[in-house]
Amino acid sequence: ELKVEQNPLFLSMQEGKNYTIYCNYSTTSDRLYWYRQDPGKSLESLFVLLSNGAVKQEGRLMASLDTKARLSTLHITAAVHDLSATYFCAVGPSGAGSYQLTFGKGTKLSVIP
Amino acid sequence: DSGVTQTPKHLITATGQRVTLRCSPRSGDLSVYWYQQSLDQGLQFLIQYYNGEERAKGNILERFSAQQFPDLHSELNLSSLELGDSALYFCASSGVLTVPNTGELFFGEGSRLTVL
Repeated sequence: ELKVEQNPLFLSMQEGKNYTIYCNYSTTSDRLYWYRQDPGKSLESLFVLLSNGAVKQEGRLMASLDTKARLSTLHITAAVHDLSATYFCAVGPSGAGSYQLTFGKGTKLSVIP
Repeated sequence: DSGVTQTPKHLITATGQRVTLRCSPRSGDLSVYWYQQSLDQGLQFLIQYYNGEERAKGNILERFSAQQFPDLHSELNLSSLELGDSALYFCASSGVLTVPNTGELFFGEGSRLTVL
């Protein structure tokens, strides 16, 4: 059974600081996704990582994937208040077929002025 | 706006009752996924349909059922409701028609179910 672990689960950081969220998963996969969720809202897709060594950046967020270590990171650079949200990583099974994703528990990020 | 439409947005009902949640996927998407989000269980995959047929099943209770219709919209039926069924239910669709298919899921706004 695929398990996805995120840490930390809660993160309070000051504006302007850098931090990294970690996502470990238990079985082989080459499909890793990051989503953002604001309170009571839908999940917004941030990054799709489909190969070992993949790195994607959007604004102050950068995501990477190491399939050998079964690890993805979401790095936040110079945080701003607008980044406050819950961030989920999700892993898909390898191979063709169903694309149901297994989600981590999420990291609730609070950026404090 | 992801293009995935869910109704109703909010639903309050009593224990023992039955409700139906509806989802319209993005135009052209053949796959529909249902997820349940609760504080204690997080985001749990329930079931997937592809072009009208069940494709994968997750942690879906026997009291719950789903189907996908010829026009590709899907319904999730929840019966004999219990207090613990209170949650946010999300529908997502995936772009199987895009090349390459990244497997990215696009989520609707969710249906918040409260069982009293």
